[in-house]
Amino acid sequence: ILNVEQSPQSLHVQEGDSTNFTCSFPSSNFYALHWYRWETAKSPEALFVMTLNGDEKKKGRISATLNTKEGYSYLYIKGSQPEDSATYLCAFMGYNNNDMRFGAGTRLTVKP
Amino acid sequence: DVKVTQSSRYLVKRTGEKVFLECVQDMDHENMFWYRQDPGLGLRLIYFSYDVKMKEKGDIPEGYSVSREKKERFSLILESASTNQTSMYLCASSYRGTGELFFGEGSRLTVL
Repeated sequence: ILNVEQSPQSLHVQEGDSTNFTCSFPSSNFYALHWYRWETAKSPEALFVMTLNGDEKKKGRISATLNTKEGYSYLYIKGSQPEDSATYLCAFMGYNNNDMRFGAGTRLTVKP
Repeated sequence: DVKVTQSSRYLVKRTGEKVFLECVQDMDHENMFWYRQDPGLGLRLIYFSYDVKMKEKGDIPEGYSVSREKKERFSLILESASTNQTSMYLCASSYRGTGELFFGEGSRLTVL
């Protein structure tokens, strides 16, 4: 079983705070790393698909970095808003590229 | 609009019953996945399929089987439901390669 670890498990921040979470994954056999946002009562939706070491992706106030050699990725949210409240999942895809393993997620709550 | 449709949002079954969970996607994706989501454990992969009639076990296949007779449809079968299979089940699909997953809305199964 591939171990994909996310930390912290949950996070409570005030509106306007910036925050970041970590995803660690096996550094060998890497093919891709995905980030998803999962809001309550909805389906998970993809934020980023990352494949290259050193990759940095950005979508509005959310960005992510990738280090495949040491096996970690960071997700940053700048100026958190209540609508950012969700569970953020990372998923590791190994080189056989047919399966995908998820971490347990980081549950973010942003208080107005 | 791309779509992954799961047949039932909520099901209640009795121990020992056979349960079918159906998933249909309209995006001509090669890959399809079944996950279950339990509090604190994130999404755990049950089975996936990378082509018609092809299937591979994920991390927790015990007590489940799958069927993929057509490209657009991936069924999860619980031959004899047990109470520890009470969970949220999520289906997803993707193109082969590093493609993002598209999720259905989930099926919440309660086994009494």
